[in-house]
Amino acid sequence: NAGVMQNPRHLVRRRGQEARLRCSPMKGHSHVYWYRQLPEEGLKFMVYLQKENIIDESGMPKERFSAEFPKEGPSILRIQQVVRGDSAAYFCASSPRHNEKLFFGSGTQLSVL
Amino acid sequence: ILNVEQSPQSLHVQEGDSTNFTCSFPSSNFYALHWYRWETAKSPEALFVMTLNGDEKKKGRISATLNTKEGYSYLYIKGSQPEDSATYLCAFSPNTGNQFYFGTGTSLTVIP
Repeated sequence: NAGVMQNPRHLVRRRGQEARLRCSPMKGHSHVYWYRQLPEEGLKFMVYLQKENIIDESGMPKERFSAEFPKEGPSILRIQQVVRGDSAAYFCASSPRHNEKLFFGSGTQLSVL
Repeated sequence: ILNVEQSPQSLHVQEGDSTNFTCSFPSSNFYALHWYRWETAKSPEALFVMTLNGDEKKKGRISATLNTKEGYSYLYIKGSQPEDSATYLCAFSPNTGNQFYFGTGTSLTVIP
């Protein structure tokens, strides 16, 4: 049973480009959470999704950031027109039901040049 | 934004020592408290999910207690081993909203 899969592990983008981060939850998990970790800081909540629905996006900047979790395929976190301040580690976690323990992916390290 | 604090920020202990650290969280609107272990170059891994005041959970040499009325949880490691070296995170889940609020973690180094 594969764990939570995130790709790519490392992503380098120039300012103004788009970044797409993918997360495939564990089999049978329909709840996905995205977190961002800035240097020297803890995990900050961004968005919580259930299949095809955004449940809570209160932690996600209103501009340039979007997330989806389609019926088929992985969850995608999309950052348009990246800026240097977007450089961070982005973690995805999944669970079979809301508020149960989270299973984390290995993260995507985004570097914006 | 809810405040979840962990102390100490980092800790160095000798192999064989027992140690403990603290997670403080809001005492109102409590739903659950999670503990995760995060080893370098790996993903955070769940240790415990605690929901009831007075809960005590144990997994091998690691145990945790929960006091929801005063808003704290302790994690204990008995007879620390080098493989226990990791960052230990706690996450608070209120009964309102959909978030888990993570602390910044306690970084434990066990010296052989």
